Amino acid sequence: DAGITQSPRHKVTETGTPVTLRCHQTENHRYMYWYRQDPGHGLRLIHYSYGVKDTDKGEVSDGYSVSRSKTEDFLLTLESATSSQTSVYFCAISGTMGGSTGELFFGEGSRLTVL
Amino acid sequence: SQQGEEDPQALSIQEGENATMNCSYKTSINNLQWYRQNSGRGLVHLILIRSNEREKHSGRLRVTLDTSKKSSSLLITASRAADTASYFCATALYNQFYFGTGTSLTVIP
Repeated sequence: DAGITQSPRHKVTETGTPVTLRCHQTENHRYMYWYRQDPGHGLRLIHYSYGVKDTDKGEVSDGYSVSRSKTEDFLLTLESATSSQTSVYFCAISGTMGGSTGELFFGEGSRLTVL
Repeated sequence: SQQGEEDPQALSIQEGENATMNCSYKTSINNLQWYRQNSGRGLVHLILIRSNEREKHSGRLRVTLDTSKKSSSLLITASRAADTASYFCATALYNQFYFGTGTSLTVIP
């Protein structure tokens, strides 16, 4: 199994509080991603990173920010959590495959409930 | 939205039967990938097909790709109860990945 650890795995918080989810990898992969998974929507890309300090927005980035200060860590921050951000969040990593886009390896997910 | 769509949304079959899932997408691709997700777990990669390939096999899995129709299918042959899971297609372009909405497969023993 790819070495990806997400923390916390479960969190309950209140509307308006800040939340940070952490993704840690031991694979030295260049690319890291944050997705959210909601019923009926599948997985939607929030933000991704293509290197240390290099990040970009995905399709549902509003209300989220990210940081990557080291190759192995990718943080997702909700500055002021809202109930619509209740979801399961997945971190994923990817290397390249012969110079082309490779496969994703996923963490086990972080379940966030915003009351 | 850059998400693809999969159909059917849910599929229930008897053990030993074949299961076919379809994926339609909207964008250009480098490759298309299929993933499996067991309940409460992360996604696991199953198979990848490049944009210049039309068909690929891996064990009991067969994937086809039609880039002119922007569609792909996943066939699982001789299904087993352990194949019960959700299956997702994902389009990959320049290290960005966009997922379909998934097919929930139930294999009845």
